Amino acid sequence: GDQVKQSPSALSLQEGTNSALRCNFSIATTTVQWFLQNPRGSLMNLFYLVPGTKENGRLKSTFNSKESYSTLHIRDAQLEDSGTYFCAAHYGNEKITFGAGTKLTIKP
Amino acid sequence: EAAVTQSPRNKVAVTGGKVTLSCNQTNNHNNMYWYRQDTGHGLRLIHYSYGAGSTEKGDIPDGYKASRPSQENFSLILELATPSQTSVYFCASGGGEVFFGKGTRLTVV
Repeated sequence: GDQVKQSPSALSLQEGTNSALRCNFSIATTTVQWFLQNPRGSLMNLFYLVPGTKENGRLKSTFNSKESYSTLHIRDAQLEDSGTYFCAAHYGNEKITFGAGTKLTIKP
Repeated sequence: EAAVTQSPRNKVAVTGGKVTLSCNQTNNHNNMYWYRQDTGHGLRLIHYSYGAGSTEKGDIPDGYKASRPSQENFSLILELATPSQTSVYFCASGGGEVFFGKGTRLTVV
């Protein structure tokens, strides 16, 4: 809900371009996860982050706990990157709350 | 990767009936979660559990009960199903990083 604000809500990219998705947190977030929900509805784990940066292929994610945000960078977007990206904030006693998602469409 | 299995994958229930959604995980995770996903709302937390015998209310617990009889199993129970509970339900487990099942599509008619 409002505790995790995800932007943009939708994004259309040309194949081969780069972009960044962002989540802002209004709760004391300890760790962050990023997921990709594919068109079949399955949630795929992308990153699990303590404060810092991780990279995996064309994806890179940063979690800045002091400024309460996380970003997901997509480099050289491919058609298979299409789907809905969710960030999730881990906080309190093992509670996890999600952003509303960014629907990403990659155009050839 | 963690294995989280939900059953059934699809369910049609009648208004006022009882529905039980089941979730099983084989990775010995302490924490398990139930979410629902509706268009425009992302995933919202219904109930969660820290281990066998424990259930905790999430952000939208009204109309739902949960049961954690063992480390592996976590059920979501709708005692009196209503059409507003038509949704896709996801179970997850984790001890830090969480992993999701494939979801259960519930339609209450």
